[in-house]
Formats: sequence, structure tokens, C-alpha cells
Amino acid sequence: GDSVTQMEGPVTLSEEAFLTINCTYTATGYPSLFWYVQYPGEGLQLLLKATKADDKGSNKGFEATYRKETTSFHLEKGSVQVSDSAVYFCALDDSGGTSYGKLTFGQGTILTVHP
Amino acid sequence: NAGVTQTPKFRVLKTGQSMTLLCAQDMNHEYMYWYRQDPGMGLRLIHYSVGEGTTAKGEVPDGYNVSRLKKQNFLLGLESAAPSQTSVYFCASSNRDGNQPQHFGDGTRLSIL
Repeated sequence: GDSVTQMEGPVTLSEEAFLTINCTYTATGYPSLFWYVQYPGEGLQLLLKATKADDKGSNKGFEATYRKETTSFHLEKGSVQVSDSAVYFCALDDSGGTSYGKLTFGQGTILTVHP
Repeated sequence: NAGVTQTPKFRVLKTGQSMTLLCAQDMNHEYMYWYRQDPGMGLRLIHYSVGEGTTAKGEVPDGYNVSRLKKQNFLLGLESAAPSQTSVYFCASSNRDGNQPQHFGDGTRLSIL
């Protein structure tokens, strides 16, 4: 079955540091890939997505590139802020027209950014 | 802009009690989902619905039932709560068009004593 593996956390950085959170996946078809972010006490929000190989999703300074050859979708940001402290989830939707939008999530990575 | 609303936000139950969690969305979405979130395990799909009157099992359906009598509402029931069901429960909805993101509620924190 489909699966998503994220780098283990928690990740602790100083403000303005470079961020990478690794995400790799296994899927039978050609999935769409997502990064969701969860701020304390809130639900998940879509951060960015990519629907086909070599697509780059970007939002709020975050980027991730869909790499089919390495089955990866690593999240990066050049300069993190304290307000980026949250839990980040990588997810895939292996639609193929039959999955009804069901998502498979990674385990989440806790990011803490210190001033 | 309500989006997805979950009630209640917090609840403490005793083992064996029953309860229903309510999810309501105002975006006219076809698809709705119930997840549970446990530490170190991400989100796991409990049940989902692709339209009014239809439901299907997800990854971890045991001990839960659901109903979708109205398009905008998706109810999650625990008939006889167990401590293993202590978790944070999230409801989500999405449009039926392909590759659309899911919109999440703020969650229900449920403790079973």
C-alpha cells in the first residue's frame, strides 16, 4: 500500500536558519503530493502541493519539488521565522480516479524556531 | 468564513460511554473524512464519505460508526468508548474534482478514562 516517511523530529532551529524536512513516499500510481502545516491548537492547513513529476509547489517562502526518480518531496525554506514553529505533514493522494481524495500522511515533523 | 466546524472541542468520557462527534461544512463539498491523530503516527483515516447517504471504511474503522444524512454534515459515533480511542479527531472535506486539497476543522480532543 501507499506510505509516506518523514524525517524524524523534532527539529529545532534559530531564526533565519535554512530548513529542510525530508519526505519520501511509496505509491502504486502517480500520486499528488502535499505539505500540510498544523499550528498549535488548530487543524491542518494546506501549505503547498505538486501534482506531477518535476512540479515545484511554493507558498509563504516554502518550496518542495516532486522528484519521481527519488520518490521524494522535501520541504525547504531559506530563512525560517519564529512564526513557522508548527507541525509539518507530508501527504500523498494516489487518486487514479478511485481514491476519492483520500490522503496518506507521514508521521509529522515538529519544528521549533528560536529567536 | 466558517469552513469546517467540529463540535465539541473537548470531551472526557468514561469507558463504555457513547458519544457522537459532529462535523459541519459550508463549502458544498462532496467528500468528507474523519481522521484520528496520535503522537508519532500522523493522521489515520477512520471513515469517509463521497456523498450524502454513502460512507466507507478507512484505515482504522473498528469501534466507530458514521453517518452522512445531509451533505453538509458528517457524524462520527463511538458506541462503547475505550481508552485506546483517546485521541484528537479531525474532520475534513474536499471538492470532488481531482487533486483538490482537504479543508480541516480545528479538532476534537477526546479522553477516555
